[in-house]
Amino acid sequence: NAGVTQTPKFQVLKTGQSMTLQCAQDMNHEYMSWYRQDPGMGLRLIHYSVGAGITDQGEVPNGYNVSRSTTEDFPLRLLSAAPSQTSVYFCASSPPVGDEQYFGPGTRLTVT
Amino acid sequence: DAKTTQPNSMESNEEEPVHLPCNHSTISGTDYIHWYRQLPSQGPEYVIHGLTSNVNNRMASLAIAEDRKSSTLILHRATLRDAAVYYCILSRLGGQNFVFGPGTRLSVLP
Repeated sequence: NAGVTQTPKFQVLKTGQSMTLQCAQDMNHEYMSWYRQDPGMGLRLIHYSVGAGITDQGEVPNGYNVSRSTTEDFPLRLLSAAPSQTSVYFCASSPPVGDEQYFGPGTRLTVT
Repeated sequence: DAKTTQPNSMESNEEEPVHLPCNHSTISGTDYIHWYRQLPSQGPEYVIHGLTSNVNNRMASLAIAEDRKSSTLILHRATLRDAAVYYCILSRLGGQNFVFGPGTRLSVLP
């Protein structure tokens, strides 16, 4: 199993540009989520999904969209990038029952 | 969600035991206690979790106070690879939306 994969590893955007961060898992997990981590801080939940076709907002959803058309993929879209969205983004997945979450390696995003 | 409080940083010598404390005085009866750690430039990884009883696995032990208002993560013999930020997190039964605090940064000295 590859586990949770994220692409790209690094990205630089200009203010106002849009892009999609990709997240995929091959463990057939129902639950997937996106977090962001600002320097020196813990992770904050952006959006999550409990299964294909179902998404919901987390703690800091503004400026981000998600969709879940398959169990494997959970892309995060930045609609109009702002410098405040400079951060490291982590995707995670877990089975429907059970408490261990598996995190991807992260995408480091810089918005200038 | 109930909050957790952890020291900002701790130091340990290599090959010595490490006890990382976590206070969660507002924990509810259905809250699980999770520990994750984050090595430099990596995503968080699962360490251990429990509800009421002490738990052991190959990585660590989790000691939970009788009143469940605090817990301690125990690394039995710290290695340099254990240098990381350790997060103590509470989640409701079946809940998977974690609230991460700043965690405890553990330094391991050779």
